[in-house]
Amino acid sequence: DAGVTQSPTHLIKTRGQQVTLRCSPKSGHDTVSWYQQALGQGPQFIFQYYEEEERQRGNFPDRFSGHQFPNYSSELNVNALLLGDSALYLCASSSYRDRRTNEKLFFGSGTQLSVL
Amino acid sequence: GESVGLHLPTLSVQEGDNSIINCAYSNSASDYFIWYKQESGKGPQFIIDIRSNMDKRQGQRVTVLLNKTVKHLSLQIAATQPGDSAVYFCAENMDAGKSTFGDGTTLTVKP
Repeated sequence: DAGVTQSPTHLIKTRGQQVTLRCSPKSGHDTVSWYQQALGQGPQFIFQYYEEEERQRGNFPDRFSGHQFPNYSSELNVNALLLGDSALYLCASSSYRDRRTNEKLFFGSGTQLSVL
Repeated sequence: GESVGLHLPTLSVQEGDNSIINCAYSNSASDYFIWYKQESGKGPQFIIDIRSNMDKRQGQRVTVLLNKTVKHLSLQIAATQPGDSAVYFCAENMDAGKSTFGDGTTLTVKP
């Protein structure tokens, strides 16, 4: 049973470029959340997708956008990259049906994005 | 607003000793808390959770204590092992799927 998978594992971009990160949720999960983790800090919630729609959003600018596909996989897009966007981007999956009784998240290993 | 913080950024213990990692939260309406463990190069991994209607919950070698009066929770690890070395985060769930994380405590276990 595959867990949460993310690609690529590492990525180097320059300021102003655009990047797309990908995530496949754990088997049986239909909800995907994205987090940004700066070095030495805890993960910060970006947004959550369920039924191909953005359901919740954290305090991130519109440069951060996402998409969820019918197979529940998801993409995170960041436009006009800034140096401060350098971070580990984590994808977490969960089951929407169980959201009130089992709220724990299953995380992937993340994509390390470096903006030069 | 929501914020979750840990008292100490680092903790060093001897193998076999018990470890206690603390966390303070500010939102008195918080009703669900989770402890995660993050090893180098990996994403956070669920350890144990507790709801606000409980004071204590035990797992395998781990115990979480919740003190709602002072808005504090702690993670106790019994007989700490080298494999327990990692960064530990407490997280608060106000909305399902949206967790607010603290900045973490790095636990180092000395052999």
